[in-house]
This record gives sequence, structure tokens and C-alpha cells, in this order.
Amino acid sequence: SAVISQKPSRDICQRGTSLTIQCQVDSQVTMMFWYRQQPGQSLTLIATANQGSEATYESGFVIDKFPISRPNLTFSTLTVSNMSPEDSSIYLCSAGTGREKLFFGSGTQLSVL
Amino acid sequence: SQELEQSPQSLIVQEGKNLTINCTSSKTLYGLYWYKQKYGEGLIFLMMLQKGGEEKSHEKITAKLDEKKQQSSLHITASQPSHAGIYLCGAARHGSSNTGKLIFGQGTTLQVKP
Repeated sequence: SAVISQKPSRDICQRGTSLTIQCQVDSQVTMMFWYRQQPGQSLTLIATANQGSEATYESGFVIDKFPISRPNLTFSTLTVSNMSPEDSSIYLCSAGTGREKLFFGSGTQLSVL
Repeated sequence: SQELEQSPQSLIVQEGKNLTINCTSSKTLYGLYWYKQKYGEGLIFLMMLQKGGEEKSHEKITAKLDEKKQQSSLHITASQPSHAGIYLCGAARHGSSNTGKLIFGQGTTLQVKP
């Protein structure tokens, strides 16, 4: 099974600033994704992090707001830009090899004041 | 668009009791995942089901996918306080279990009273 580490685990940020979340997997994976979980709600897929190319965003999410990098098969970052209180959520990285198991990181709990 | 409905939304059981959580879809499920989440934390992978009628068990947790592949159930036997948390079902999108893109149910919050 893959172990996924996310940093930071939580942060409190000021409105208008940006935060970059890191996701490190302990083995090479073919797929990496970023999800958002707003307070009291379930998970929503933000984008697929593609290795060496631009991320693929889901409807309602744009690159300017959530730039994503994936320089190799084990690492990805998600930046939440120009934050507002509405961005307060848990952000989760997930990764898998396309063979049944899809693992999640421990999440980054973000609060925007 | 495909949606997943989980029931019940919340559940309080006495330690030692059995319980069942259901996950229902309006469309055929291609890959059904069960996760457990502690409040404010990440998701712990429990099981993944693909075939109609499939059943998997891990310790005291059993998950089944019905023959029509539109409903899954998660059954916990002899519940313990360590089972407390939020249980989420997630389904693969776009008719393929290998895309890794999941939609999720709204979750079932389980409390186990000692």
C-alpha cells in the first residue's frame, strides 16, 4: 500500500494570501488527485495532477485559483491562491496505480480569516 | 450525473452491537470504495468492490456489492469504540474503475457508546 504524506497538516491564513500544500507518496504512482472537503460536506474532486504537464481541472475549478504541479511520479503540490474564507476546507491528496486501491493523504485543514 | 446516497446519515450504537451502512447509486457502479475518516483528518482505505455480488471482509468489517451493482452495504460486527468515525462510499466515475476519479456519498457518522 502507498503511504501519502501531506504538509502542512493545518494552517490558518489571512484573506488574500496563498498557501501551497505538498503531497509526497512513498512509491511511484500513475495517478494523483486533489480533493476538497468543505465543512460538513463530502469530498469533491478539484483536479487530476498530471506528471510533466498541466493538471486537468473539474468543472468549477480553474488553474488560476488552484495551480497544481507534479514534477515526478511521487510528488505534487496544490496552491490555493488569493484565499477567501470560502476556501476554508480540508484539502486531500490521493494517489493510486489503477489497480483497485486508491489511497488518501492525511489532509490539510485550512482556515482563512 | 451520478450521485451516491448513503444511509443512515448518522448512527449511534452500543458497543458490541452490529450495524449496517448503505450506499445506493442511480447508475451502475464501476468500482465502489469504502473509506473511514476521523473528524478533520484524511481517509483510511477499507475496501474496494468491483464485481456484482462481490463481498470482502477485513477484521470485523464486511462490504458487499449487490448483483445489479447499484448498491453496496458495509456491515460492522460487534462494534467497538475504535470503529467510530465517518464512513464514506466513493464510486469511480465515467464507467471505469481505473480512472481514480471518484464521486463520494455524503458520509455516515458512527458513534459507538462504551
